[in-house]
Amino acid sequence: SYELTQPPALSVSPGQTASIPCSGDKSGEKYGCWYQQKPGQSPVLVIYQDTKRPSGIPERFSGSRSGNVATLTISGTQAMDEADYYCQSWDSSVGYVFGAGTKVTVL
Amino acid sequence: QVQLVQSGAEVKEPGASVKLSCRASGYTFAGYYIHWVRQAPGQGLEWLGWISPNTGGRNYAQKFQRRVAMTRDTSITTAYMELTRLTSDDTAVYYCARGLYDRSGNWWGFDYWGQGALVTVSS
Repeated sequence: SYELTQPPALSVSPGQTASIPCSGDKSGEKYGCWYQQKPGQSPVLVIYQDTKRPSGIPERFSGSRSGNVATLTISGTQAMDEADYYCQSWDSSVGYVFGAGTKVTVL
Repeated sequence: QVQLVQSGAEVKEPGASVKLSCRASGYTFAGYYIHWVRQAPGQGLEWLGWISPNTGGRNYAQKFQRRVAMTRDTSITTAYMELTRLTSDDTAVYYCARGLYDRSGNWWGFDYWGQGALVTVSS
């Protein structure tokens, strides 16, 4: 099997930086991506290929990777960034895998 | 603009089947895989599989291989997902999503999502 591990929750003050790690349990990690999902809405792609931002996604969202840990960083967090965030990657044995999600609360 | 419009909510009894549709517009339907993802109430995202609108080729998550069938009708740019032998554990919102790949076929993510369709399995 293949699993992605994220913290279940994270709190951040407005204007501060939120960093969400996503750890894979295999070496030689493939590229991953990140989604934002607000209550009652469909997920939105905010980072792909570990570090790239789709058109229309604010610059305060960035991604990075070190070994088997991908990280989503929200700089200057705003109230509108309060949402669930999911990492995703692909593995040849199980297909497309999601992390369990991190609920980001902006206090 | 790219849109994926899904069929409406369904209520099914245990043991029944459900077939959902996902109509694509605003782009070349044949050029992008369609993936299906579900989300049980209060839970995370779970991938079910993909279909290639161009070739009809498909790949299912092992967990669903015996119960899922994905098809498409290119004449109406619509993808379908049928799930059989439903149980209460299949109660979820089901999404279709467009797969984003580079020219080498490397996967980048799911860049557009449908609005979701709630499937409720209850007797």
